Amino acid sequence: SQTIHQWPATLVQPVGSPLSLECTVEGTSNPNLYWYRQAAGRGLQLLFYSVGIGQISSEVPQNLSASRPQDRQFILSSKKLLLSDSGFYLCAWSFQGNTEAFFGQGTRLTVV
Amino acid sequence: GESVGLHLPTLSVQEGDNSIINCAYSNSASDYFIWYKQESGKGPQFIIDIRSNMDKRQGQRVTVLLNKTVKHLSLQIAATQPGDSAVYFCAEKESGYALNFGKGTSLLVTP
Repeated sequence: SQTIHQWPATLVQPVGSPLSLECTVEGTSNPNLYWYRQAAGRGLQLLFYSVGIGQISSEVPQNLSASRPQDRQFILSSKKLLLSDSGFYLCAWSFQGNTEAFFGQGTRLTVV
Repeated sequence: GESVGLHLPTLSVQEGDNSIINCAYSNSASDYFIWYKQESGKGPQFIIDIRSNMDKRQGQRVTVLLNKTVKHLSLQIAATQPGDSAVYFCAEKESGYALNFGKGTSLLVTP
């Protein structure tokens, strides 16, 4: 069976510090990978998605970036965090094509 | 871009009653729709999906209805239980694109 791992679960970072969130998927190959952000009491905003190694589509211009160095690894990064980057970050994967996305447990990021 | 939205932000129902959560979408090219349940502090969990060539699909205690004419999606939960309390999101997908989520409806089940 497939599993998705996302860490850390919570993170408190000062403004201006770098960020690296990692997500890995096991049990499948060539998945679509996604990073979403969720503000408190709001829906999920798509940040990045990837259909293959080195292929990243950005949905929202911002100071975040994503990379996919390996088939089942997806990394969300920032060089300098802003207060507005606080939120709940969710990694997800899906099979290719029109199928549901499976979510990790999320990372609660607080920028102080 | 086009958006997915929900008619009601909150819904309170009594235990044992049926719940209906509604969702409107605007992208006429969407051909795949999903309902997710999200409990506090956790990632969304898949509930049920439906493709655009169907208008109804049933699962265990849940039914999804799709009306493509008016671009409307609904989730029906039968005999709602306290464990059903959560935020419910509809999501739509156009082939070749990522899932687009609505803002969510908070369902509160009271005893």
